[in-house]
Amino acid sequence: AQSVTQLGSHVSVSEGALVLLRCNYSSSVPPYLFWYVQYPNQGLQLLLKYTSAATLVKGINGFEAEFKKSETSFHLTKPSAHMSDAAEYFCAAGEAAGNKLTFGGGTRVLVKP
Amino acid sequence: GAGVSQSPRYKVAKRGQDVALRCDPISGHVSLFWYQQALGQGPEFLTYFQNEAQLDKSGLPSDRFFAERPEGSVSTLKIQRTQQEDSAVYLCASSRLRASNTEAFFGQGTRLTVV
Repeated sequence: AQSVTQLGSHVSVSEGALVLLRCNYSSSVPPYLFWYVQYPNQGLQLLLKYTSAATLVKGINGFEAEFKKSETSFHLTKPSAHMSDAAEYFCAAGEAAGNKLTFGGGTRVLVKP
Repeated sequence: GAGVSQSPRYKVAKRGQDVALRCDPISGHVSLFWYQQALGQGPEFLTYFQNEAQLDKSGLPSDRFFAERPEGSVSTLKIQRTQQEDSAVYLCASSRLRASNTEAFFGQGTRLTVV
């Protein structure tokens, strides 16, 4: 079964600093990969998705992620953190033959002024 | 509608009570999913519908959980004889197509607290 691991349940960054959130997946077959953001008392909003078209994926709000098959990773980055980036971020994987998403445990981002 | 709508937003149930959670997906979306999100964890898959057909219910934790989507639109997740371990946020999501690479749009969730 697919599993998704997010290293670090909490990340604290200063405003203007690099944001790096780590995600690793377990499948030997590259799955579809997604990053979602969840603000307090809100549903999940899609930031970006990888579907094999390009290994570097750009998303909304200045986020991007790079798919690395050799490392089974899909880390999320943003060059310069903004206060509005404070939220919880979830990495998820979807199998080509299936329809459900498998989520990581989430990483809560705190942005310090 | 503009987005996925879930009701109620909050539900407090006494242990042993039955509850019903409603999901209104985006109009025309073929796929509908239910996820359970325990406090401090990522969402976990419960069940999947393609139109009115429930194609995957492998994530339902027990036979106390039942979901339906009789007309291929609105869906209801029912939990019978609620237990404290059922306390969680229940998220509904819908997507336009059947493919797993299609973006799923999530509702705000229903926070269920069993006391």
